[in-house]
Amino acid sequence: QKEVEQDPGPLSVPEGAIVSLNCTYSNSAFQYFMWYRQYSRKGPELLMYTYSSGNKEDGRFTAQVDKSSKYISLFIRDSQPSDSATYLCAMSAGGNNRLAFGKGNQVVVIP
Amino acid sequence: EAQVTQNPRYLITVTGKKLTVTCSQNMNHEYMSWYRQDPGLGLRQIYYSMNVEVTDKGDVPEGYKVSRKEKRNFPLILESPSPNQTSLYFCASSLPPPGFYGYTFGSGTRLTVV
Repeated sequence: QKEVEQDPGPLSVPEGAIVSLNCTYSNSAFQYFMWYRQYSRKGPELLMYTYSSGNKEDGRFTAQVDKSSKYISLFIRDSQPSDSATYLCAMSAGGNNRLAFGKGNQVVVIP
Repeated sequence: EAQVTQNPRYLITVTGKKLTVTCSQNMNHEYMSWYRQDPGLGLRQIYYSMNVEVTDKGDVPEGYKVSRKEKRNFPLILESPSPNQTSLYFCASSLPPPGFYGYTFGSGTRLTVV
């Protein structure tokens, strides 16, 4: 079983829809959870950061962590064409442990 | 502006011709790392460095070398590139500890080896 699983299948949604992305993981030591956004021909940029379980909201973006199920989610409300990008989940046990990345999910928001 | 700068952005080279991809960060980060990104495989770590003169292998180090003589610079060296090293490469840096802060990535270097 891979450490972090993220379905890489492209996701196309109409403008204004809710985008739902998720990752599962196997390492119960993970406690820092992040989502990165990567535009075409650019490097990933940190979008959301969550410690342990719970929800975090930032504008149209909500990150959820369920440590009991080893499952994290990212929701994008009122999606815009500018949200079209690849979204990568990442997580770490903290300290000097490196980040473990999912493969990324390509999202296309159609005007 | 706080950033990680990679050069070149695009590079086409021939098999066996040594090349260096430079990486520089202006955030005084101790941790730096190189990744390659391939379709269907995601980001895979090549090498990382916890501090000056301290480097270690990641998941896919074969065919690559790195050095960390100064805190700000972390060049990636391909001494004898092969076509299977055709990929998109990213340099990243972080405050310590890296597992807590997350990374700042460069804009990438697209390398083609023919």
